[in-house]
Amino acid sequence: ELKVEQNPLFLSMQEGKNYTIYCNYSTTSDRLYWYRQDPGKSLESLFVLLSNGAVKQEGRLMASLDTKARLSTLHITAAVHDLSATYFCAVDREYGNKLVFGAGTILRVKS
Amino acid sequence: ETGVTQTPRHLVMGMTNKKSLKCEQHLGHNAMYWYKQSAKKPLELMFVYSLEERVENNSVPSRFSPECPNSSHLFLHLHTLQPEDSALYLCASSQGRGNTIYFGEGSWLTVV
Repeated sequence: ELKVEQNPLFLSMQEGKNYTIYCNYSTTSDRLYWYRQDPGKSLESLFVLLSNGAVKQEGRLMASLDTKARLSTLHITAAVHDLSATYFCAVDREYGNKLVFGAGTILRVKS
Repeated sequence: ETGVTQTPRHLVMGMTNKKSLKCEQHLGHNAMYWYKQSAKKPLELMFVYSLEERVENNSVPSRFSPECPNSSHLFLHLHTLQPEDSALYLCASSQGRGNTIYFGEGSWLTVV
């Protein structure tokens, strides 16, 4: 059974600081997704990582995937308040986009 | 504005009621999904439809009954639910594997 673990589950950080969210998963997969969710809103796709060593960047967020270590990271550079949200990683269980989600990381950026 | 629209956005129903959640995708995708998001558990995949055929039923109780009449529409029929079924139900769609899965804004369900 595929399990996806994120840590930390809650992150409070100062504006301008850097931090990393980690996503570990238990069985082999080569497709990993990162989503953002604002309170009361749906999930917004951030990144789709499709191969070992994949790295994608958008603004202050950068995601990477190491399929051998079964680890993905979401790195936040020089955090700003607008990045406050809950971030989810999800791993494709098998053919057909059957995603298994992590518990989510609640990020709060303080001024 | 999302390409996946869900109605109603909020629903309160009694345990003996029958109601339905509706989802429509305007993205030309060939797969649609129902997910459940509750306070106590991570997002859970409930059902997957690919080309209008159900390809996943993730041990969901029979009081939830999905229907996919065509590739653009997905329903979740609700019957004799329990209070623990109160959650946010998210519809999603995608085209092929490895592509972005787009989520609707969800239907907040409260069972009283």
